[in-house]
Amino acid sequence: KAGVTQTPRYLIKTRGQQVTLSCSPISGHRSVSWYQQTPGQGLQFLFEYFSETQRNKGNFPGRFSGRQFSNSRSEMNVSTLELGDSALYLCASSLGLGQGNHSPLHFGNGTRLTVT
Amino acid sequence: AQSVTQLGSHVSVSEGALVLLRCNYSSSVPPYLFWYVQYPNQGLQLLLKYTSAATLVKGINGFEAEFKKSETSFHLTKPSAHMSDAAEYFCAVSLSPEIQGAQKLVFGQGTRLTINP
Repeated sequence: KAGVTQTPRYLIKTRGQQVTLSCSPISGHRSVSWYQQTPGQGLQFLFEYFSETQRNKGNFPGRFSGRQFSNSRSEMNVSTLELGDSALYLCASSLGLGQGNHSPLHFGNGTRLTVT
Repeated sequence: AQSVTQLGSHVSVSEGALVLLRCNYSSSVPPYLFWYVQYPNQGLQLLLKYTSAATLVKGINGFEAEFKKSETSFHLTKPSAHMSDAAEYFCAVSLSPEIQGAQKLVFGQGTRLTINP
């Protein structure tokens, strides 16, 4: 079974631009989460989608947005990029079903975004 | 609020020695705890998880962790370190979902494990 696939692996953008990152979950997984990883702040939760609906959101500004398609693939978008947005962006998928669900997250290898 | 604290941002051990990575949690409800490992230029890989079924949890690659409620700890151990264990390790707690099935992990700051030959 193929793992979580994130594209592109590396991205260089200029301050003020916008960027879209893509994530394909493991087949059968309906939940997709996004995390930002930086040396200073560590791993921080961005948002989670399930069946094309955002179920959970972290404490990030509105410049960060996402969506999920009917095939569970997800994209996240960052508008008006700032230098501080430079980070590794990780996508994770899980089954996402059931009350109190704590099924493990399966992570992709991430997209490393550099803002200059 | 639920959180995790990893004691020691860097740990160095000799090959064949015991590995001990410390994690303490803060939670007002029974926690769901995880250990993940991250190799350079890769994403996170699940080592093991605690979901209240057993206090001693065995994971992959010879790692295990023991849940101790009285100490609010979930330390990760491996009896004999191997060079391939060099990586960064993250402890995480799963927040109680407000929405059925919703997932959100809060991670510790990570511990970088170095293995000396």
